[in-house]
Amino acid sequence: KAGVTQTPRYLIKTRGQQVTLSCSPISGHRSVSWYQQTPGQGLQFLFEYFSETQRNKGNFPGRFSGRQFSNSRSEMNVSTLELGDSALYLCASRPSGRKDEQFFGPGTRLTVL
Amino acid sequence: GDSVTQMEGPVTLSEEAFLTINCTYTATGYPSLFWYVQYPGEGLQLLLKATKADDKGSNKGFEATYRKETTSFHLEKGSVQVSDSAVYFCALSSNDMRFGAGTRLTVKP
Repeated sequence: KAGVTQTPRYLIKTRGQQVTLSCSPISGHRSVSWYQQTPGQGLQFLFEYFSETQRNKGNFPGRFSGRQFSNSRSEMNVSTLELGDSALYLCASRPSGRKDEQFFGPGTRLTVL
Repeated sequence: GDSVTQMEGPVTLSEEAFLTINCTYTATGYPSLFWYVQYPGEGLQLLLKATKADDKGSNKGFEATYRKETTSFHLEKGSVQVSDSAVYFCALSSNDMRFGAGTRLTVKP
């Protein structure tokens, strides 16, 4: 089985722009979660989608949004980028069960200038 | 809510030393417990897991035992290698996935 894939792997944007990141989960996985990882804050949960519905949301401003499509692929969008949004954005998928482990993609490295 | 606390790093060891990274959790239910490892420039990889009390997860010489009485899931390895240098995350899964802050391990030859 192919693993979780994320595109693009690297991205450079300027303040005020918006960005869309994409995640394709492992085939058959219906849950997709997004995390932001920074040296200062560590790994922070953004949101989880299951069957096209947002199941959980972390403590991030409304500039961060996401969605999931019927094939379980997910996108996250960040509008009005700020310097502090520079981070590694990780996507993870898992089977339906909430006690299952998550499988992570390689991440998208976003740099905001 | 559910949470995970793991020992702060960084941890620096010499090759072949014994490793322990402490992890304790708080959960209202009966979560599954995990250790993930992150190598530089990569995403997190599952290292081992345990789904119920007294289960022992093991992989690549690493072990951790699900201790319900002490709400702990400490990671151990008897003899670390330079290639084990990475960041290690303890995590639990109940209603949500919760991760610890991560512990950076550096192993010197």
